[in-house]
Amino acid sequence: DTAVSQTPKYLVTQMGNDKSIKCEQNLGHDTMYWYKQDSKKFLKIMFSYNNKELIINETVPNRFSPKSPDKAHLNLHINSLELGDSAVYFCASSRRGGQDEQYFGPGTRLTVT
Amino acid sequence: SQQGEEDPQALSIQEGENATMNCSYKTSINNLQWYRQNSGRGLVHLILIRSNEREKHSGRLRVTLDTSKKSSSLLITASRAADTASYFCATDAIAGKSTFGDGTTLTVKP
Repeated sequence: DTAVSQTPKYLVTQMGNDKSIKCEQNLGHDTMYWYKQDSKKFLKIMFSYNNKELIINETVPNRFSPKSPDKAHLNLHINSLELGDSAVYFCASSRRGGQDEQYFGPGTRLTVT
Repeated sequence: SQQGEEDPQALSIQEGENATMNCSYKTSINNLQWYRQNSGRGLVHLILIRSNEREKHSGRLRVTLDTSKKSSSLLITASRAADTASYFCATDAIAGKSTFGDGTTLTVKP
C-alpha cells in the first residue's frame, strides 16, 4: 500500500494553462506539505496544512493555490503556468508538523513548454 | 537563504568504504533529520536527532550533532552500491517547518 501518493507522475503542459496535482496519504497524519524541487535538487517548502488548516505559506506566487478537502488530501492547483514552474513537486505528510519524520510521495515532474 | 548547507556537494567512493557528509545550519533548532533520495524518487527518512542528543545510530548509519558548532554529520559505514543517492539534512528552526539543505550526492562504485 502506498503511504503518500500523487497524481499525475508526469505533467507536460503549455505556458498559460491551469493544472492540478493531487496528493493523498493513508497514514492518518495530521500535517501535509507541498515542496518544489528544482533542477539543482534544491528542495523548498511551499505550503503546509495541519488538519485542513493552512499553517505555512511561503513566498509562493498566488498562482499556486493549495486545497485540503480533508485531512488525507492536499491538492495543488496552478494557474497561468510559466516556464519557471517546471520542477518536481513533492507532497509529504507527517504525524505532527516539523517534529516528526516526513513521508514523501513519489513526486510529480511538471514540464512547462 | 537556506538554513542547511551540506558538504561535500558530491562524494564518490568504492564499495566497502565509509562515507561522511556534513550539514551546517544557521539558527537554533529543535531537531535535525537526514533523508535519502534515490534518483527519480521521493525522499526517505533515515534518522532524526534531537537538539539534546549528540549521537545516534541506525544500522550502518551514525549521526552526530554539535549544537555549539551548528553542524551535523552522517556517516555511512561499509557502503554498498545501493547507497548511491542524494542525502539531505533538514532542520526545524521554525515550528512546523522543515528546511532542507542542498544535499550531498553520493556515488558508491562497485
